[in-house]
Amino acid sequence: DVKVTQSSRYLVKRTGEKVFLECVQDMDHENMFWYRQDPGLGLRLIYFSYDVKMKEKGDIPEGYSVSREKKERFSLILESASTNQTSMYLCASSPAGSTDTQYFGPGTRLTVL
Amino acid sequence: RKEVEQDPGPFNVPEGATVAFNCTYSNSASQSFFWYRQDCRKEPKLLMSVYSSGNEDGRFTAQLNRASQYISLLIRDSKLSDSATYLCVVNSMDSSYKLIFGSGTRLLVRP
Repeated sequence: DVKVTQSSRYLVKRTGEKVFLECVQDMDHENMFWYRQDPGLGLRLIYFSYDVKMKEKGDIPEGYSVSREKKERFSLILESASTNQTSMYLCASSPAGSTDTQYFGPGTRLTVL
Repeated sequence: RKEVEQDPGPFNVPEGATVAFNCTYSNSASQSFFWYRQDCRKEPKLLMSVYSSGNEDGRFTAQLNRASQYISLLIRDSKLSDSATYLCVVNSMDSSYKLIFGSGTRLLVRP
């Protein structure tokens, strides 16, 4: 069974703090993704990575950066958290060449005060 | 216009009912289509792929209409456990890795 884990289920941070969200997958997948999910807006892609040290911007990269130093780990960084980044963050992975199934982690509910 | 549009619902149906959801997509060149299911406070999971010829998996039937650019999901004999949000998903034409998710249709099945 594919397992994608995220470092925290719930996180509360203050405006201006630097925030790290970690994602680890155990299926040797090449592709990894970070989404945010907001009511009425669905899942929106922030960044994705198709290989170690490779990254591409998704649809809403502003205010975020990512790091992929190892194949199994993909980190999302909020350099200076703002209240409009309060959201559910979901990490996903998929094998190389896959155009269908993405396996999601349980999500991190981030609240920025 | 959103790339993938769904009626947010909720669809409130009794157990045993048949319910259908539609989803429209804007890019006529899209090639791959899926339905994902998301339970409350859980992550999305692939329910089924949608093929040109349509496909069926037990009580679930998915259909694709390329001419009208919509995808449908039919659930027969609804169970309480079918209560969830159903996400319509289309592959992105920008990148083969990317999927575009609709905002979901919520289904509530009541006893």
